[in-house]
Amino acid sequence: GNSVTQMEGPVTLSEEAFLTINCTYTATGYPSLFWYVQYPGEGLQLLLKATKADDKGSNKGFEATYRKETTSFHLEKGSVQVSDSAVYFCALSRGGKLIFGQGTELSVKP
Amino acid sequence: GAVVSQHPSRVICKSGTSVKIECRSLDFQATTMFWYRQFPKKSLMLMATSNEGSKATYEQGVEKDKFLINHASLTLSTLTVTSAHPEDSSFYICSAVGTSGSITYNEQFFGPGTRLTVL
Repeated sequence: GNSVTQMEGPVTLSEEAFLTINCTYTATGYPSLFWYVQYPGEGLQLLLKATKADDKGSNKGFEATYRKETTSFHLEKGSVQVSDSAVYFCALSRGGKLIFGQGTELSVKP
Repeated sequence: GAVVSQHPSRVICKSGTSVKIECRSLDFQATTMFWYRQFPKKSLMLMATSNEGSKATYEQGVEKDKFLINHASLTLSTLTVTSAHPEDSSFYICSAVGTSGSITYNEQFFGPGTRLTVL
């Protein structure tokens, strides 16, 4: 079946540190891949997406590359800020439905 | 961007009562709405998909008589948890896709969620 696995959280980093949140997926065919972010008290927001192999999605300094050979879509940011503290969800789309990973909580300290 | 609201944001009810949660698209017409359930430290689980004017399609394992979904208009969907029990306590989130004039939103826009606690 289709599934998404993310690294366990919480992840705690100092400001300006490098961020990687791992995401791997299992799916038939080639799904679209997404990263969503949920700030405290708010709904999920689309952060970035990639629709085919080798595509790189990027937004607000975050980026992720669709790796078909490793079935991965790892989220990276070169220098995190306190305002990046949130829960990050990796997801894939099949038939118009989203399948989410379990979420990774990121806490950035000043 | 498209905005989705939910009401209430938080509700506490007694076991055996029914609770209704509203999901509204504020600035676009939601042709399809989705209802998710999120457990603590867990992923979002899709419960059902509803198209305006049609019966909802429930995911496997979701009791349709327990979780009644109505999508009677292009801006409103409701989720009613009937005869709620403590195990129904959870965070319920809706999302929507749709149109606004000539713009088509294929991306799901999410509401802020509703925290249900059943005593």
